[in-house]
Amino acid sequence: EAQVTQNPRYLITVTGKKLTVTCSQNMNHEYMSWYRQDPGLGLRQIYYSMNVEVTDKGDVPEGYKVSRKEKRNFPLILESPSPNQTSLYFCASSLSQGARGTGELFFGEGSRLTVL
Amino acid sequence: AQSVAQPEDQVNVAEGNPLTVKCTYSVSGNPYLFWYVQYPNRGLQFLLKYITGDNLVKGSYGFEAEFNKSQTSFHLKKPSALVSDSALYFCAVRKTGANNLFFGTGTRLTVIP
Repeated sequence: EAQVTQNPRYLITVTGKKLTVTCSQNMNHEYMSWYRQDPGLGLRQIYYSMNVEVTDKGDVPEGYKVSRKEKRNFPLILESPSPNQTSLYFCASSLSQGARGTGELFFGEGSRLTVL
Repeated sequence: AQSVAQPEDQVNVAEGNPLTVKCTYSVSGNPYLFWYVQYPNRGLQFLLKYITGDNLVKGSYGFEAEFNKSQTSFHLKKPSALVSDSALYFCAVRKTGANNLFFGTGTRLTVIP
């Protein structure tokens, strides 16, 4: 089954304790992206990756890191989480974007993060 | 810069009635336009997209949307609403050649039995 898998689905942590949210897709998609969803703000893009070893900032990258060492995986790293990073996070993938792409995004089920 | 406006936070409609969820956009050049739906505790699911061609596009679950270039709108419609259509709907836009989608703030649709 084609899917985007995120882990953990729920996490409560404390300020400053590094955490990683994993994302994996099994569709051989080139493009992957992380969004955060906050009430009244919709979805805002954090980082995206056009392909392996190619990543770029989205609209709200501060406090986050990503890496794309393999095509299927795109982990989101919070080096020192703060309460304002409490949010619902979504990973998404697409066959392609940019000049070659018209493809829709496939989303994971979301990871709800609470930073105390 | 690209932006999307969904002017209604909440839309209520009676079951069996037609529904419209509004979306307007601002982007330079030709837009790619999308609608996504989010059910409770789930990720977003693709409904339909406009890339080029016929201004009326049909998508999943009986939804359709009309691209209106002069009004820069891409309203989502369905002739007869179902209770199961109750969800959060997001409009999104991408400029031709751009690398990312820009989402609106979402409209919560409630279909009343």
